[in-house]
Amino acid sequence: EAQVTQNPRYLITVTGKKLTVTCSQNMNHEYMSWYRQDPGLGLRQIYYSMNVEVTDKGDVPEGYKVSRKEKRNFPLILESPSPNQTSLYFCASRGQNTNQPQHFGDGTRLSIL
Amino acid sequence: AQKVTQAQTEISVVEKEDVTLDCVYETRDTTYYLFWYKQPPSGELVFLIRRNSFDEQNEISGRYSWNFQKSTSSFNFTITASQVVDSAVYFCALSEPFPIQGAQKLVFGQGTRLTINP
Repeated sequence: EAQVTQNPRYLITVTGKKLTVTCSQNMNHEYMSWYRQDPGLGLRQIYYSMNVEVTDKGDVPEGYKVSRKEKRNFPLILESPSPNQTSLYFCASRGQNTNQPQHFGDGTRLSIL
Repeated sequence: AQKVTQAQTEISVVEKEDVTLDCVYETRDTTYYLFWYKQPPSGELVFLIRRNSFDEQNEISGRYSWNFQKSTSSFNFTITASQVVDSAVYFCALSEPFPIQGAQKLVFGQGTRLTINP
């Protein structure tokens, strides 16, 4: 089954404690992306990756890092999380053609206390 | 810059009523794609439809229909004979092609929370 898998689904943690949200896709997609969803703001792009070792900033990259060492994985790293990063996070992937829809993971709800 | 506006924050109707969710977009690109996604209470994002900027034909899929009008920069979504299972947050999105071939960002609207009451 084609899917995008995020882990963990839920996490409550404290300010400053480094955390990583993993994202893996089994569709051999080149393009992967991270979004955060906040009430009244819809989804906003954090980072995206065109392929292995090719990443770039989206609209709200501050406080986040990503890596793309393998095609299937695109982890989101919060080196020093802060309360304003409390949000619902989505990973997405898509094939090479821009007319294809992005496939989204089930989301990760992060609470930073 | 690209922008998507969903002016209806929340809509509540009684089951079997028809309901239309509005989406207005702004872009300077001549080639772009529009999408609708559904987010049920369980939280995942479900792809509903994609429409490219050169195809203004309306589309119907069961009880769902979409009206794309370039002249008014709108891509509205209608649910006919609504059901309780249609209750969800619905997002309209616009693809923003980057100069780099193959890159794409989805610009999302704020979402419309639709509640269908029995």
